[in-house]
Amino acid sequence: SAVISQKPSRDICQRGTSLTIQCQVDSQVTMMFWYRQQPGQSLTLIATANQGSEATYESGFVIDKFPISRPNLTFSTLTVSNMSPEDSSIYLCSVLDLGQGGSTDTQYFGPGTRLTVL
Amino acid sequence: AQSVAQPEDQVNVAEGNPLTVKCTYSVSGNPYLFWYVQYPNRGLQFLLKYITGDNLVKGSYGFEAEFNKSQTSFHLKKPSALVSDSALYFCAVRDNTGGFKTIFGAGTRLFVKA
Repeated sequence: SAVISQKPSRDICQRGTSLTIQCQVDSQVTMMFWYRQQPGQSLTLIATANQGSEATYESGFVIDKFPISRPNLTFSTLTVSNMSPEDSSIYLCSVLDLGQGGSTDTQYFGPGTRLTVL
Repeated sequence: AQSVAQPEDQVNVAEGNPLTVKCTYSVSGNPYLFWYVQYPNRGLQFLLKYITGDNLVKGSYGFEAEFNKSQTSFHLKKPSALVSDSALYFCAVRDNTGGFKTIFGAGTRLFVKA
């Protein structure tokens, strides 16, 4: 199984500023994703982080607001730009481990970054 | 586009009784189906998945789920609930026609009373 760490675990930020969240995986994985979750609510997919190319964003999410990098197979960052209180949420990094020939095909989640924007 | 519905916001069950958490889905191809659990202030934990094969899938902590293609359902079950099973449960679906995007249901909060 993949072990995922995220930094920071939580932060309180002022509106108009930006925060970069880091996601580190202990093994090379095929796919990496970023989700957003309001406490106690469902997960919403923000984007798929593609290695060496621009991320693929879901409807309602744009690169200017949520720039994503993925320089290699074990690391990704998500930046929340020009923050407003509506961005207060838990941001989750997720990886898909397909294993050899798709033998495992399991998606794992990081512990999340709890962001509060004042 | 794929979607998943969890019709119950909350399920209450007495300890020792069987529990069912319902999930229905919609995908264009053959579905990959998943259940995850989230305990308070903790991350999501994988419970079980259905990709192909037997319709009854067994997972962690004594949970199982039954894939029903005709009813497009994937209900989560456990024969005997524990108080420690109280948590938020998410059903998820992935369309295997080329993408790897997983969509989550709204979640069902399970309360197991002693």
